[in-house]
Amino acid sequence: SQKIEQNSEALNIQEGKTATLTCNYTNYSPAYLQWYRQDPGRGPVFLLLIRENEKEKRKERLKVTFDTTLKQSLFHITASQPADSATYLCALANQAGTALIFGKGTTLSVSS
Amino acid sequence: GAVVSQHPSWVICKSGTSVKIECRSLDFQATTMFWYRQFPKQSLMLMATSNEGSKATYEQGVEKDKFLINHASLTLSTLTVTSAHPEDSSFYICSASGGTASDTQYFGPGTRLTVL
Repeated sequence: SQKIEQNSEALNIQEGKTATLTCNYTNYSPAYLQWYRQDPGRGPVFLLLIRENEKEKRKERLKVTFDTTLKQSLFHITASQPADSATYLCALANQAGTALIFGKGTTLSVSS
Repeated sequence: GAVVSQHPSWVICKSGTSVKIECRSLDFQATTMFWYRQFPKQSLMLMATSNEGSKATYEQGVEKDKFLINHASLTLSTLTVTSAHPEDSSFYICSASGGTASDTQYFGPGTRLTVL
């Protein structure tokens, strides 16, 4: 069955450092991989989408890579800030706008 | 742009009663809406997919008679939890896609349901 794993439940880093979150998947060939941010008691907020034929995507301090051979995506937040503290979810889809399969998320804590 | 709202944000009800949750796309036409459920420290689990004007497609293990979904317009979908029981207590989140927001799904803020 399809499986998505995000490397750790929790990640603690110091302000200013780069946070790197990992998403691995098995038994799936997604056309799209997306990253969302979720704050406690709130719905996910879309951050970045990367397609299977793209290697890297950037948006401000965020960078996502997608390696379909390794079946892995890395999500980087550079110059992290305490306001970046949240749970980050990896999600896969066969095509744009279709149902997403979510990982459990990694909770990032950035301390000042 | 691409804003999705949900109402109510939280609800407490007695066991055996029914609860309706509304999901609205405020600035785009949502041809497809999705309903997810999330338990504490768990991932979002898809319950059903609905296309405007069509019957919803439910995921395996989700009772269609218990979780009634209606997607009567391009901006509104409703989820009704019928005869709710304590085990239905969860965080229900809708998402929408379509029109000018067809590249991905945009999520509502979620509804916390507590069944006593």
